[in-house]
Amino acid sequence: GENVEQHPSTLSVQEGDSAVIKCTYSDSASNYFPWYKQELGKRPQLIIDIRSNVGEKKDQRIAVTLNKTAKHFSLHITETQPEDSAVYFCAATLRSGYALNFGKGTSLLVTP
Amino acid sequence: DTAVSQTPKYLVTQMGNDKSIKCEQNLGHDTMYWYKQDSKKFLKIMFSYNNKELIINETVPNRFSPKSPDKAHLNLHINSLELGDSAVYFCASSRKDNRLAGGNSYNEQFFGPGTRLTVL
Repeated sequence: GENVEQHPSTLSVQEGDSAVIKCTYSDSASNYFPWYKQELGKRPQLIIDIRSNVGEKKDQRIAVTLNKTAKHFSLHITETQPEDSAVYFCAATLRSGYALNFGKGTSLLVTP
Repeated sequence: DTAVSQTPKYLVTQMGNDKSIKCEQNLGHDTMYWYKQDSKKFLKIMFSYNNKELIINETVPNRFSPKSPDKAHLNLHINSLELGDSAVYFCASSRKDNRLAGGNSYNEQFFGPGTRLTVL
């Protein structure tokens, strides 16, 4: 079946350091790759996304890179702050184009 | 002016009961979804509807029956609830899907606040 693998499952960094989360996908037809942030008890919220015709996208402290050949994409957070602490999910569109296939999440803890 | 809303927020019920969760979006989106998030935080697609038509049913038991009376609503009815159904259920919506728009559509999904279902 179509899979999205996400690593690491937990990540602890010091405030100000960078955090990197990596995902791989199996479906070559996937063409949209969003990243969601979910705080405890809240809904997932989109923080950045990238389409298959783009290799990199940046929004302030957050960047995403995509390697279509290798079928992997990564989230980079620079100058981390305690409020970045949350669970981060990567996702890729399913073959049909509808719906998202999510990774299992990365619990990021930023310590002051 | 909530974009995607769900009711109820919490639902506690006994095994064997039948319950419904309602979802509404006021974004004018064509596509709506139900996702299940289990105790390990895994988010998994259950159903996808486009313009009131079922598009995806990801091997969900027949006890789960989605209903879309119009494209702004997607309700989830669950029969004969089991302990394993305990989870947080998220509704989401997006504009036209990738395939219909030639693969370049704007596909951000907006999630509802979730319904925490506890089956005792």
